[in-house]
Amino acid sequence: AQSVTQLGSHVSVSEGALVLLRCNYSSSVPPYLFWYVQYPNQGLQLLLKYTTGATLVKGINGFEAEFKKSETSFHLTKPSAHMSDAAEYFCAVSERAAGNKLTFGGGTRVLVKP
Amino acid sequence: DTAVSQTPKYLVTQMGNDKSIKCEQNLGHDTMYWYKQDSKKFLKIMFSYNNKELIINETVPNRFSPKSPDKAHLNLHINSLELGDSAVYFCASSQGGSDGYTFGSGTRLTVV
Repeated sequence: AQSVTQLGSHVSVSEGALVLLRCNYSSSVPPYLFWYVQYPNQGLQLLLKYTTGATLVKGINGFEAEFKKSETSFHLTKPSAHMSDAAEYFCAVSERAAGNKLTFGGGTRVLVKP
Repeated sequence: DTAVSQTPKYLVTQMGNDKSIKCEQNLGHDTMYWYKQDSKKFLKIMFSYNNKELIINETVPNRFSPKSPDKAHLNLHINSLELGDSAVYFCASSQGGSDGYTFGSGTRLTVV
């Protein structure tokens, strides 16, 4: 079974600073990888995804992520944090052999300090 | 128009009761899912239906029973509710693995 590990359950950044959220996965086949964001009392919203092709993918709200097969990583970054980025972020991997089941990491809560 | 809608948004009920959560999607997707998010924000899949057929049934107590009358609807019925069932339940839909899921806004279930 596939698994996803997000390093750091909480990350605190200053407004304007770099946001870096780490995600590592285990998969026996090339995966589909996703980052979702969850604002308080809301559902999950897709930030970006990697399926095939270019390993650096850009998403909404200025976020991007790079797929590194050799490191089995899919870290999420944003050059300059904004107060509105405060939320919970989830990395996920899709198991194509299991009905496209999405397996999520434990989540990382981002706090943005003024 | 909300793509994936769940009702109710909040549900407070006593132990032992039976309750249902409804989910509808207007995206034309073939596959729908139920996920449970616990108090630590951990998300775990419960069930998945593809065009009304059950394709994923994780280790979930049989007090939980999904029903899909058509591919646009996936409801979740819970019998004999227990304190440990308190969580946020999310419905989602998808057209394929590379598309990811579209999530509803969740149903916060509190069992007292």
